[in-house]
Amino acid sequence: AQSVTQLGSHVSVSEGALVLLRCNYSSSVPPYLFWYVQYPNQGLQLLLKYTSAATLVKGINGFEAEFKKSETSFHLTKPSAHMSDAAEYFCAVSEEEANFGNEKLTFGTGTRLTIIP
Amino acid sequence: DVKVTQSSRYLVKRTGEKVFLECVQDMDHENMFWYRQDPGLGLRLIYFSYDVKMKEKGDIPEGYSVSREKKERFSLILESASTNQTSMYLCASGAGAQPQHFGDGTRLSIL
Repeated sequence: AQSVTQLGSHVSVSEGALVLLRCNYSSSVPPYLFWYVQYPNQGLQLLLKYTSAATLVKGINGFEAEFKKSETSFHLTKPSAHMSDAAEYFCAVSEEEANFGNEKLTFGTGTRLTIIP
Repeated sequence: DVKVTQSSRYLVKRTGEKVFLECVQDMDHENMFWYRQDPGLGLRLIYFSYDVKMKEKGDIPEGYSVSREKKERFSLILESASTNQTSMYLCASGAGAQPQHFGDGTRLSIL
């Protein structure tokens, strides 16, 4: 069975500082990994997706994530935080299934990112 | 651009009522999903559907049912609403290797 652990339910960083949000996964097969962002009163928006093409994945809004198989990690980073990055971030994993492709996602519990002016 | 529309942003119902949450997508996606989101628990899959009239239980189906009579519409039904079903409900759609696209959510309160 697949699972995702997000370390830190709340993370605060100063504007301009590095953002690091942690995600570790467990999967019995090579996984597909995702980061989604949720702004207040909105649904989830895809930030980036790993599908084994490259271990470093670049997403929208300057975010990127690196897949490290040896550490079973897929941490999300951004070099310089902006006030508009304040949101909740979810890591998710799926295992390719014959019928459904990579659609069935298991989500982490989320990390709320606060940006300090 | 893919659009997933949930019929209500906020909904207040009473215990014991039958509640319908509606979701419509405009991209001809085969797969549709219902999740509930609770603080500290993330998103949990209630039901999903990979074709018209087809449905599969997710991780927490108890107390819920679904209906998919048309490809673009996926309804979540609370047969007899209870206070522990107060939550944010998110609908999503997707196809094949495409990532899931989410609606803006329905915040449901059961009094």
